[in-house]
Amino acid sequence: SSELTQPPSMSVSPGQTARISCSGAALPRQYVYWYRQRPGQAPVLMIYKDSERPSGIPERFAGSSSGTTATLTISGVQAGDEAVYYCQSATGSATWVFGGGTKLTVL
Amino acid sequence: EVQLLESGGGLVQPGGSLRLSCATSGFSFSSVDMSWVRLAPGKGLEWVATIAGLGGSTYYADSVKGRLTISRDDSTNTVFLQMKSLRVDDTAIYYCAKEMEEGFDPWGQGTLVTVSS
Repeated sequence: SSELTQPPSMSVSPGQTARISCSGAALPRQYVYWYRQRPGQAPVLMIYKDSERPSGIPERFAGSSSGTTATLTISGVQAGDEAVYYCQSATGSATWVFGGGTKLTVL
Repeated sequence: EVQLLESGGGLVQPGGSLRLSCATSGFSFSSVDMSWVRLAPGKGLEWVATIAGLGGSTYYADSVKGRLTISRDDSTNTVFLQMKSLRVDDTAIYYCAKEMEEGFDPWGQGTLVTVSS
């Protein structure tokens, strides 16, 4: 299956750690990418190739992948981290799938 | 600075057509793959189509195959999405994005397509 499954929502208090999961049968063979989308804004790349951070993305954001599950970890959560986070992977040659998105609420 | 600017969205009736444009600048356009991704109301991101650089091979999501066509003009650094036989469930914000091995980065600000009678 080419689907990616994320929890629809999660909430954390400021300063805590958020861990957002992304599950998919193909993940042992495909890289995972993570995007943040704030309301009314375009998505922003946060993590690429499972665990690499683009320039300008704080070290608080970390990615990992093991077996069929990838995880985006946000340490020291801040109010500004409130957004929908999407995982993405390739499904074949130049075709892509996104997870359903996880709405992160900062309490 | 890399910039992407979409245009062409609007209100169209079911069965109608629309052409979206994404004007780009700040990078070597002809060698880069470009993609369209949409965000429907109340739903998540959905990859729509990709066009490769240096050859222009195209790839589509099953949901749009045969109705939406991606193309590019390397002389004007612009990527297009021709949309026909539009359905209500095509209603979404359509984003173009520069596609690299390092992911889709950056994205344009999006253009809204509303399919309604």
